Amino acid sequence: EVQLVESGGGLVQPGGSLRLSCVASGFTFSSYWMSWVRQAPGKGLEWVANIKQDGSERYYVDSVKGRFSISRDNAKNSLYLQMTGLRAGDTAVYYCARRHTVATDYWGQGTLVTVSS
Amino acid sequence: QSALTQPASVSGSPGQSITISCTGTSSDVGGYNYVSWYQHHPGKAPKLMIYEVSNRPSGVSNRFSGSKSGNTASLTISGLQAEDEADYHCSSFTMTRSLDVVFGGGTRLTVL
Repeated sequence: EVQLVESGGGLVQPGGSLRLSCVASGFTFSSYWMSWVRQAPGKGLEWVANIKQDGSERYYVDSVKGRFSISRDNAKNSLYLQMTGLRAGDTAVYYCARRHTVATDYWGQGTLVTVSS
Repeated sequence: QSALTQPASVSGSPGQSITISCTGTSSDVGGYNYVSWYQHHPGKAPKLMIYEVSNRPSGVSNRFSGSKSGNTASLTISGLQAEDEADYHCSSFTMTRSLDVVFGGGTRLTVL
């Protein structure tokens, strides 16, 4: 059974940093592109970042470029999102997701990030 | 403001059919057969229901179907059941942004 379990969310002040983690199981993690997707309160889903199987390609939504960094450790079946310079607009539930062609076929249950003073 | 436009809400009675639309442009929905639909019960992990416009992943009920005409994609749910009450999000491939996929704003389905 494919499982994606996120952790690392919490309350952080504007300008602060946070590192999200996602542990994958039930599939060959190193064979898939992976993504972070977020949903702000009352809003739709928004793709945040994608990373290739070997980490050699990474893509970000414009609003987080230069502030967020996606990475992975295939030996640990883990995906990460390092977030710096956090803003109120980054408040959202962040989901780890497995990419399948242009869709995402498995998602975690999400971790809440709240940016507030 | 989301890139793709969905109605904020739809509703239907058990046993009825409903359709949720997802409108984009020729740069996304209309230009590629890479539209996906996700079901999301609040507090749970989103679930892929349709990919590449009309394909159902293994295990997804055949009551769910997808289609596309021009710049608008549609998700139809037939034989509505109480468990179908959820948020539904569409997404599409696009070449116009730094990330290659855009989402709609989501539609809340209420089963009356």
